[in-house]
Amino acid sequence: EVQLVESGGGVVQPGGSLRLSCAASGFTFDDYAMHWVRQAPGKGLEWVSLISGDGGSTYYADSVKGRFTISRDNSKNSLYLQMNSLRTEDTALYYCAKDYTIFGNYYGMDVWGQGTTVTVSS
Amino acid sequence: DIQLTQSPSFLSASVGDRVTITCRASQGISSYLAWYQQKPGKAPKLLIYAASTLQSGVPSRFSGSGSGTEFTLTISSLQPEDFATYYCQQLNSYLFGQGTKLEIK
Repeated sequence: EVQLVESGGGVVQPGGSLRLSCAASGFTFDDYAMHWVRQAPGKGLEWVSLISGDGGSTYYADSVKGRFTISRDNSKNSLYLQMNSLRTEDTALYYCAKDYTIFGNYYGMDVWGQGTTVTVSS
Repeated sequence: DIQLTQSPSFLSASVGDRVTITCRASQGISSYLAWYQQKPGKAPKLLIYAASTLQSGVPSRFSGSGSGTEFTLTISSLQPEDFATYYCQQLNSYLFGQGTKLEIK
C-alpha cells in the first residue's frame, strides 16, 4: 500500500524552528518528486515546497523562501521540511504529497499523508 | 503571477442534483489544471488532472472541462459522499484556488 506518514509537528514560539518528517512506503521513493502543502485552520490549501526525486532541485513558495528548507534522504525513504524563523502565520496542518508526473508532465499530487500540525504561538 | 478564482465559494445542493464549479485563471494556462476533493478532517484527493482526465478510481459522475482561462468541475448526480470542499490547482505554479464548499441543502 502506498503510504505517507508525517511527523514532527508541535507548538513553537515565534522565531523558533521545527523539522517535519514524512516517511514514505509502497512505492519507489526516489522515482518521484515530493511536495509539502499546508492548510491553516479553516482555510484553503497552500503549496509550500517541492523537491525533485534526486534532491537536486528545490522550489519554494514566496511566503517561506529563505526560512524553510526541503530535503530528502532516499536511503531512508524520507522527506523533510526544516522550518526556521517561524511566524504565527505559519500555523497550519502540513501535508506531504507525492508528485504525479507522467513523461515529464506534472499532473498534480496523487498520494497525501494525514498531515502534522504546527502551531506557532507565544 | 497567475491568480485562480473559484466560484461559487459555497454551494448548497441536494442528492441527485447536477452541480458545476468554475475555476478561472487570470491568464491562459492551457490544460494545466487539476481538481481535488477534501472531506472534513481528511487529506485532499486528486480527482481530475490535465483539466479533463479522471484519476483512476474516481467515479464517472465527476467530469472536468475547459482550457485557457476557464475550467469547470461537474458532478452529474450528487451522492451523499460528494459533499466536501473542492479545490482547483494550476499545475505550472502549484497554486490552489480558494476552494468551493459543497453542502447539503
